[in-house]
Amino acid sequence: DGGITQSPKYLFRKEGQNVTLSCEQNLNHDAMYWYRQDPGQGLRLIYYSQIVNDFQKGDIAEGYSVSREKKESFPLTVTSAQKNPTAFYLCATLQDGTQYFGPGTRLLVL
Amino acid sequence: GIQVEQSPPDLILQEGANSTLRCNFSDSVNNLQWFHQNPWGQLINLFYIPSGTKQNGRLSATTVATERYSLLYISSSQTTDSGVYFCAVRSLGSARQLTFGSGTQLTVLP
Repeated sequence: DGGITQSPKYLFRKEGQNVTLSCEQNLNHDAMYWYRQDPGQGLRLIYYSQIVNDFQKGDIAEGYSVSREKKESFPLTVTSAQKNPTAFYLCATLQDGTQYFGPGTRLLVL
Repeated sequence: GIQVEQSPPDLILQEGANSTLRCNFSDSVNNLQWFHQNPWGQLINLFYIPSGTKQNGRLSATTVATERYSLLYISSSQTTDSGVYFCAVRSLGSARQLTFGSGTQLTVLP
């Protein structure tokens, strides 16, 4: 069954803690993206990767880090430098101009 | 960067009614997509439509690129159409980055 999986579905972070959100895809798409969505808002781009071992900052990259060691995987780390991380995080791929989304991870700071 | 404005921000309909959602953008684009986000957060691509008209069942979309707007039509609305509809565009100078509007919240009442 082809698609994009994100885990966990819900994640709780304590102050000063780094957390990593997983994103895996078996669609064989080259490009992968991370977006952040705040309540009642549209999506804002955090990072994207067009190819393995390469990634670019989006509009709101501060306080986040990524890696792209494998084509299938694009994990996002929310560092302690991100002062307001509570949000809904969406991973996506892009193929032939069409964006495909995973189910998302809701991050809450305790 | 490119600006994307969606209207109306909120729309409440009775089941069976028709509706038109609008997306205005501030620059020339080579990619425009419409998405539906369901109440659980999942984003589904409805149309890839940088220009022209497409139809898929009760939904259709038209993009007039020269006048920088796109319209999404929903006919005979159903309660399952409820959710948020997003327009996303990529400007000609952008490297594979979509900019999202803030969405139209649609509620279809039974």
